[in-house]
Amino acid sequence: DTGVSQDPRHKITKRGQNVTFRCDPISEHNRLYWYRQTLGQGPEFLTYFQNEAQLEKSRLLSDRFSAERPKGSFSTLEIQRTEQGDSAMYLCASSLTLEQYFGPGTRLTVT
Amino acid sequence: GEDVEQSLFLSVREGDSSVINCTYTDSSSTYLYWYKQEPGAGLQLLTYIFSNMDMKQDQRLTVLLNKKDKHLSLRIADTQTGDSAIYFCAELGSGGYQKVTFGTGTKLQVIP
Repeated sequence: DTGVSQDPRHKITKRGQNVTFRCDPISEHNRLYWYRQTLGQGPEFLTYFQNEAQLEKSRLLSDRFSAERPKGSFSTLEIQRTEQGDSAMYLCASSLTLEQYFGPGTRLTVT
Repeated sequence: GEDVEQSLFLSVREGDSSVINCTYTDSSSTYLYWYKQEPGAGLQLLTYIFSNMDMKQDQRLTVLLNKKDKHLSLRIADTQTGDSAIYFCAELGSGGYQKVTFGTGTKLQVIP
């Protein structure tokens, strides 16, 4: 296992559609994070899991967003009824201690 | 709340040293990080420093932390064209959970 992987790498969707992204963390990492990054900005924290428990959610995570990590391994991030403002890079990271390692991201474009 | 600020752009000549600066507001920050992002890629953890340290050196990278002024810097010695990227400063607060706050990034351009 060489790192955090994310799928898909790119997603184009029409406004109003639902999308789901997947993140596979580094295998022994029990902590998993989702971030959103818009052009010219740093990543913004969305949510955090320790094993399967979702321990923190940002106020950026509206009720159209839901994240799961059912078995404490991979995680999914779903966006319902997408809006143009959801267009961004969605980054996943994992950690065992305090060093977070990032995946390549999923770039979402909402048309 | 937490806030991390960086200058937006830095241009240096190949072989010179680069110094990227960052200021943060959360005095209870425990860890401070530097990440590198190349175009279209995710973030690569370069180095980090614990808040009770004032300096850390790792090959060409030197991190300096002035906790009193809440100022963090990253010095890259002998800068190469492959160092061209966006560099993000980030802090981990002490709030119990793992929320990391990132700056807006400094774009480093290395001129051959």
